[in-house]
Amino acid sequence: EAGVVQSPRYKIIEKKQPVAFWCNPISGHNTLYWYRQNLGQGPELLIRYENEEAVDDSQLPKDRFSAERLKGVDSTLKIQPAELGDSAVYLCASSFRARTDTQYFGPGTRLTVL
Amino acid sequence: QKEVEQDPGPLSVPEGAIVSLNCTYSNSAFQYFMWYRQYSRKGPELLMYTYSSGNKEDGRFTAQVDKSSKYISLFIRDSQPSDSATYLCAMRGIYNQGGKLIFGQGTELSVKP
Repeated sequence: EAGVVQSPRYKIIEKKQPVAFWCNPISGHNTLYWYRQNLGQGPELLIRYENEEAVDDSQLPKDRFSAERLKGVDSTLKIQPAELGDSAVYLCASSFRARTDTQYFGPGTRLTVL
Repeated sequence: QKEVEQDPGPLSVPEGAIVSLNCTYSNSAFQYFMWYRQYSRKGPELLMYTYSSGNKEDGRFTAQVDKSSKYISLFIRDSQPSDSATYLCAMRGIYNQGGKLIFGQGTELSVKP
């Protein structure tokens, strides 16, 4: 069974530039999460989707971050414009259901903002 | 104060040693407790999953939860160089916040041959 797929794996951009990350969850998983992991820290939730609905986006900086999950499968996370403090690893995870099931993580996208 | 506190290490041990990793937490609503292992440049992978208090053993790994003390532990017996990774504790409640995971900051472990 294929795991969570993320691309790109690495991205280096200048500040104020836009950037987008893509995630393909495990087949059949209804719940999709985006986390941000700063260096030396644990992941922190940015947004959670149940199918195509964003049900928890309280930690998403909405002035510059946006996300979508079209057709309840793949998801894209966008930052526009990027700031130096956005440098981090952006992790996507998925689970069959939100409340009780194990979350499976992708390898992450390592973003460096110069 | 963070909801979940974890000593970041780094922790260096010789091969074959017993390793003890710990987390404390403040939210009494947490019911599910997990340990994730994260190798360098990889995403976290679930290692152990425990509901409420008690012990759970899986091979060389034992997870303990003491809800009265708000303290969880992961023990690794006969540690191997392949166990070198960052270990993240994570926890969540049953009904609040739709199962949102709260992570500790991770402990970096190095097992020397």
